[in-house]
Amino acid sequence: SQELEQSPQSLIVQEGKNLTINCTSSKTLYGLYWYKQKYGEGLIFLMMLQKGGEEKSHEKITAKLDEKKQQSSLHITASQPSHAGIYLCGADGLSNSGYALNFGKGTSLLVTP
Amino acid sequence: SQTIHQWPATLVQPVGSPLSLECTVEGTSNPNLYWYRQAAGRGLQLLFYSVGIGQISSEVPQNLSASRPQDRQFILSSKKLLLSDSGFYLCAWSSTLGYEQFFGPGTRLTVL
Repeated sequence: SQELEQSPQSLIVQEGKNLTINCTSSKTLYGLYWYKQKYGEGLIFLMMLQKGGEEKSHEKITAKLDEKKQQSSLHITASQPSHAGIYLCGADGLSNSGYALNFGKGTSLLVTP
Repeated sequence: SQTIHQWPATLVQPVGSPLSLECTVEGTSNPNLYWYRQAAGRGLQLLFYSVGIGQISSEVPQNLSASRPQDRQFILSSKKLLLSDSGFYLCAWSSTLGYEQFFGPGTRLTVL
């Protein structure tokens, strides 16, 4: 099965600082999804990447998929307390799962004043 | 617009008791539906998915079961809960094209 490794596992940054979260796959990614989860709540869809070298931005969050389509990064510029939460990457799973996603274990982000 | 509901939001149950968690989707037809469990330190684990009424596929053998009695209703059940069933249960839907999934607010289950 496809394994997704996220790094770091947790991150504490000062408000206003930039940060990057990485997601690495053991296999080629055909669809890579980034979600944000506030503690104890459901997942909020952020972005989907499909093409090698693709980059998407939403407000201060930018996600990239490398040319080999095995690694994605999520970059937050000038972090704010509202960015705190758990960031999860997900990828299209094996065919017998239909379109279900395999997820990484998440990166917990805390933004301090 | 589409919305997804889960209830209850939290649940505390004794070991050996039955379980029924419900998920409903509004604003779309014939969605793919999914049940995930999120346990501490283990990330999100896919439990069941469904591509249509009465069509359920299980990803992980366990004492849980799922049913889809209506197009936009997905139910997670157990006859006898185990301690290891504790966790945060998330329901999700996607269109039949199967791209991004949209998640419900989740149910926090504690088995004592």
